[in-house]
Amino acid sequence: SQQGEEDPQALSIQEGENATMNCSYKTSINNLQWYRQNSGRGLVHLILIRSNEREKHSGRLRVTLDTSKKSSSLLITASRAADTASYFCATDEGAQKLVFGQGTRLTINP
Amino acid sequence: NAGVMQNPRHLVRRRGQEARLRCSPVKGHSHVYWYRQLPEEGLKFMVYLQKENIIDESGMPKERFSAEFPKEGPSILRIQQVVRGDSAAYFCASSLRTAATNEKLFFGSGTQLSVL
Repeated sequence: SQQGEEDPQALSIQEGENATMNCSYKTSINNLQWYRQNSGRGLVHLILIRSNEREKHSGRLRVTLDTSKKSSSLLITASRAADTASYFCATDEGAQKLVFGQGTRLTINP
Repeated sequence: NAGVMQNPRHLVRRRGQEARLRCSPVKGHSHVYWYRQLPEEGLKFMVYLQKENIIDESGMPKERFSAEFPKEGPSILRIQQVVRGDSAAYFCASSLRTAATNEKLFFGSGTQLSVL
């Protein structure tokens, strides 16, 4: 079953702008994670937010979590061409595995 | 400080042949996960293994697919009698503890399986 669903499916912005991606999920979770995937490569972990946290920062990344709405957002500030990638949210579904969404394909135009 | 190693990177098989995909987790990690990814899509969970045990195989087709993670050696995802629909990228990930304990996953670079 697909737990996380990202929105939008694709996003194209100019370098320097901020990029916001959203994720919705269905069941209760212990944590929500965001990953990045460059074309043809494996996923790289970006940030983890626990179910009792509302916001978390890491460098130019800001993640929010609203458990009442079962949603999360990932904000990348001051985007760079190197941020071009696909971004996935993943949740544990309260189980022992991570279930990934379909991803948002982010393109940063120079 | 090697990460998750997957091999081969690319695997070409003809219909009806067997495909064996290998995954060596991060040293010290005893939890391994296999995912499948079709082009322009997300990762679909297949199976979760802990040393010598299959914990969750709810995402794995009942027929032709099997996975193991022996006490010694890499984890193996085996696909028997491959069909064209098996063509995909297969990713392995490992973690120190289970995902439910707020653990992040470390991913390999994947094996791209092409079935002719």
